[in-house]
Amino acid sequence: ETGVTQSPTHLIKTRGQQVTLRCSSQSGHNTVSWYQQALGQGPQFIFQYYREEENGRGNFPPRFSGLQFPNYSSELNVNALELDDSALYLCASSLMGGRYHNEQFFGPGTRLTVL
Amino acid sequence: SQQGEEDPQALSIQEGENATMNCSYKTSINNLQWYRQNSGRGLVHLILIRSNEREKHSGRLRVTLDTSKKSSSLLITASRAADTASYFCATGLAGGGADGLTFGKGTHLIIQP
Repeated sequence: ETGVTQSPTHLIKTRGQQVTLRCSSQSGHNTVSWYQQALGQGPQFIFQYYREEENGRGNFPPRFSGLQFPNYSSELNVNALELDDSALYLCASSLMGGRYHNEQFFGPGTRLTVL
Repeated sequence: SQQGEEDPQALSIQEGENATMNCSYKTSINNLQWYRQNSGRGLVHLILIRSNEREKHSGRLRVTLDTSKKSSSLLITASRAADTASYFCATGLAGGGADGLTFGKGTHLIIQP
């Protein structure tokens, strides 16, 4: 059983640029969620994808968008980067409706620095 | 905004001692989960307790849930140096919908050898 993987591990961008982060879900999972974790804070829910559609969203502006692919991998896209977007971005996969409903398995994260 | 609040924010104990962390939350929940995070890396799921459960055990971990007080506690018995990490409580909201979890700010636990 393969775990959740994310790429890249680290990324440096400048203000105004766009970034794409990638996530590969754990085998057998059909749902992926993305979280933003600022330094010293807990993760904050960005959105969730189930069956390739956005299934729920936290308090993040539309410049945060995502995709889920048929193989349940996912992308997080952030446009018009701001300095406050600097954070650890975590991807989590889970099985909607299954035994492990709501238990989420996290990847190692992508550290994004916006200069 | 963050629903859960862990207490204390930081805790330093000697190896072998027990560590207790508390979590309070604000709204009705479906379940409450505890996660561990080492040095700003990915989170590891520790234990999930449903809203109709009051206590749950997993190895050296014991979790309690009091829905009337909207609080939970995590007890780690016989602590080890490898338990040094940040611990977060996370709630899954009642009513279903998105599976997004709401995390607190965490308790940073240091186990002194």
